[in-house]
Amino acid sequence: DVKVTQSSRYLVKRTGEKVFLECVQDMDHENMFWYRQDPGLGLRLIYFSYDVKMKEKGDIPEGYSVSREKKERFSLILESASTNQTSMYLCASRLDRANNSPLHFGNGTRLTVT
Amino acid sequence: AQTVTQSQPEMSVQEAETVTLSCTYDTSESDYYLFWYKQPPSRQMILVIRQEAYKQQNATENRFSVNFQKAAKSFSLKISDSQLGDAAMYFCAYRSGDYGGSQGNLIFGKGTKLSVKP
Repeated sequence: DVKVTQSSRYLVKRTGEKVFLECVQDMDHENMFWYRQDPGLGLRLIYFSYDVKMKEKGDIPEGYSVSREKKERFSLILESASTNQTSMYLCASRLDRANNSPLHFGNGTRLTVT
Repeated sequence: AQTVTQSQPEMSVQEAETVTLSCTYDTSESDYYLFWYKQPPSRQMILVIRQEAYKQQNATENRFSVNFQKAAKSFSLKISDSQLGDAAMYFCAYRSGDYGGSQGNLIFGKGTKLSVKP
């Protein structure tokens, strides 16, 4: 089974702090994704990566950046956390984009910015 | 741009009964894929079922089946013999068959919260 691990289940940070959300997958997947999930809004794509050192903006990239230095790890960075970034963050991976394989999700990180 | 609409924010079903969750989508493409994901209280999203648009036959996975109406752009999920463990958020998702750029990413609906009454 594919395992996607998000380093923190709950996180509380202060406004203005730099926040790192880490995600690791163990199945040599090429594609990795960061979503945020908010009630009534569903899942919205923040950033994604098709391969190491590659990154592309999703639908709501403002206020976020990402890093993918190794294939198995995809980090989401909040350069200066704000209260409107309080949300559930979900990481996902997929074998590659040419294959109709489903997304495999982590357990999510619930971030609260105070 | 493609959109996915789930018109039922919440649904409830009696244990052992059948329930249908609705999903409609908007696209001008002919080649695409549709998915239903389940998110239980544990928060991990789990794939329930998927459908390729070019297949006329409705997908089935044990107690889960879909009613795929391509012309109507409808993709409903039917859960038969509902169990307590089926209680979760259910998300419908669309993926383009064109894998270039961001087209291969999933577009999610806003979700339907399903409650199962004992």
